[in-house]
Amino acid sequence: DAGVIQSPRHEVTEMGQEVTLRCKPISGHDYLFWYRQTMMRGLELLIYFNNNVPIDDSGMPEDRFSAKMPNASFSTLKIQPSEPRDSAVYFCASSLSRTNTGELFFGEGSRLTVL
Amino acid sequence: RKEVEQDPGPFNVPEGATVAFNCTYSNSASQSFFWYRQDCRKEPKLLMSVYSSGNEDGRFTAQLNRASQYISLLIRDSKLSDSATYLCVVNMGGGKLIFGQGTELSVKP
Repeated sequence: DAGVIQSPRHEVTEMGQEVTLRCKPISGHDYLFWYRQTMMRGLELLIYFNNNVPIDDSGMPEDRFSAKMPNASFSTLKIQPSEPRDSAVYFCASSLSRTNTGELFFGEGSRLTVL
Repeated sequence: RKEVEQDPGPFNVPEGATVAFNCTYSNSASQSFFWYRQDCRKEPKLLMSVYSSGNEDGRFTAQLNRASQYISLLIRDSKLSDSATYLCVVNMGGGKLIFGQGTELSVKP
């Protein structure tokens, strides 16, 4: 079975540019999470969806960040305009609520560098 | 105060040592608890759940103290392959999973 698929794996961009990160969750999973990881702050929950509906976006740092989940097999995280402090690894993860095991399946992450 | 706090690392231990990690959480209504492991430049993966009565999986023992809002992970007879970052995770309810900052473990020969 394919795991969570994220793209791009690496992105280097200049300050002010728009960045779009993509995620395909595991088929059948009804929860999707976006996390950001930095050395200073660790893994921060940005937003999560249940059945394509955003449940909690309180972790989204500011209006420059937006996330969508137009269907059960695709989500995007967009940063516009990007800033150097957005440099981090962005992880997407999915889970199946009915198992209630707390097991999140993570993608390999998108490493973003904003110059 | 952070929602989930862990021991600062790194922990440097010799092979065969026993090492313990601690974690505290702020929300007394938190529903479930987990330990994840993250290898360098990889994604986190579930290590084990933490049950109220405590639970063991081979060399790993997890314990929960709800009254003190405290979780622990004990690793016995540590191996070189145990070197990783260990993340405490708390389900705040509604599926919201919050990670601690992680504790780095380095097991030396």
